[in-house]
Amino acid sequence: AQSVSQHNHHVILSEAASLELGCNYSYGGTVNLFWYVQYPGQHLQLLLKYFSGDPLVKGIKGFEAEFIKSKFSFNLRKPSVQWSDTAEYFCAVNRPISGGYQKVTFGIGTKLQVIP
Amino acid sequence: SQTIHQWPATLVQPVGSPLSLECTVEGTSNPNLYWYRQAAGRGLQLLFYSVGIGQISSEVPQNLSASRPQDRQFILSSKKLLLSDSGFYLCAWSSPLSVFNEQFFGPGTRLTVL
Repeated sequence: AQSVSQHNHHVILSEAASLELGCNYSYGGTVNLFWYVQYPGQHLQLLLKYFSGDPLVKGIKGFEAEFIKSKFSFNLRKPSVQWSDTAEYFCAVNRPISGGYQKVTFGIGTKLQVIP
Repeated sequence: SQTIHQWPATLVQPVGSPLSLECTVEGTSNPNLYWYRQAAGRGLQLLFYSVGIGQISSEVPQNLSASRPQDRQFILSSKKLLLSDSGFYLCAWSSPLSVFNEQFFGPGTRLTVL
């Protein structure tokens, strides 16, 4: 079945550690890719997005993600995490579906806990 | 700027009771609208989406229904709630003009069915 896979469900890091969260998808064709973040008690919000062009995209708060088409991956990275990065992170893939519409499918999320 | 509202924020309902959750969007016209359910360890499951008034597509068979009586209003309903309907319900919108189809989420409604 077509899906979006996030391999790390719960990650615990110390402050200043580097972060990489994996995301793989199984759709062929043109896709748009996203990372969303949900901080405790807040709305789900967009962290970064990829449509075309440079496969390394930069988002808010020092996050970046690299699209590797051959690996169907869109991993999220941050060189040095902070306590305020504690949140749940969702990878998402947008693709065209029948009728000219588009559909976004989300991964199950990764809970990141940063220890001061 | 665009804003999205959901209410109520929390709701506790007995099994078998009806449900009505409301979502409204401000600052945009003819948005695409979505209802998701977020469950721990399961991510966001798309329940319904709508590209216009009265146009509803269902993603999964379930005990719930959706309606779009106005351009910027999206309602999630049930005639008789089940225990399994408990969860966190998110409404989202996107612009039909957006190449990315990025979605903007509301604050959510925490539903507990007892």
